Amino acid sequence: DAGVTQSPTHLIKTRGQQVTLRCSPKSGHDTVSWYQQALGQGPQFIFQYYEEEERQRGNFPDRFSGHQFPNYSSELNVNALLLGDSALYLCASSSGTNYEQYFGPGTRLTVT
Amino acid sequence: DQQVKQNSPSLSVQEGRISILNCDYTNSMFDYFLWYKKYPAEGPTFLISISSIKDKNEDGRFTVFLNKSAKHLSLHIVPSQPGDSAVYFCAASEGNFGNEKLTFGTGTRLTIIP
Repeated sequence: DAGVTQSPTHLIKTRGQQVTLRCSPKSGHDTVSWYQQALGQGPQFIFQYYEEEERQRGNFPDRFSGHQFPNYSSELNVNALLLGDSALYLCASSSGTNYEQYFGPGTRLTVT
Repeated sequence: DQQVKQNSPSLSVQEGRISILNCDYTNSMFDYFLWYKKYPAEGPTFLISISSIKDKNEDGRFTVFLNKSAKHLSLHIVPSQPGDSAVYFCAASEGNFGNEKLTFGTGTRLTIIP
């Protein structure tokens, strides 16, 4: 049983560019959440998708957007990249019947 | 505003002894609390959780205690083993379940000394 998978593992982008990160949830999970973890900090909630709609959103600007597909996989898009967007981006999945969120290994984004 | 605080960035404990990791929170709306463990180059792994209606939850070597009046929770690991060396994050949710938005602390790096 595959856990949460994310791609790519690492990514280097230039300031002002756009990036798309991908996540496949754990089998049986229908809810996907995205978190940003800056160096030395705990993960910060970006948003959560359920039934292909954004259900909750954290304190992140509109440059951060997402999508959930019918197979429950999800994408995180970030436009107009800033140096401060450099971080580890974590995807977590869960379902209505199990309470805990299971995290993927993350995508390390570096903005130069 | 840091709603979940882990004031000890690091902790070293002898193998076989008890490890106690602490966490404080400020948001009274938090109803569900979780501990995650993170190894380098991996995502956080769920360890144990507790609902605000309880004051203790135990799972093998791991016990979480919750003091709602003090807005404080702690994770006890006994006995500590070398494989427990990792960064531990405390997280909280305003919902009744841990599948909603989680607010994390900054983490405590636990090192178990053989």
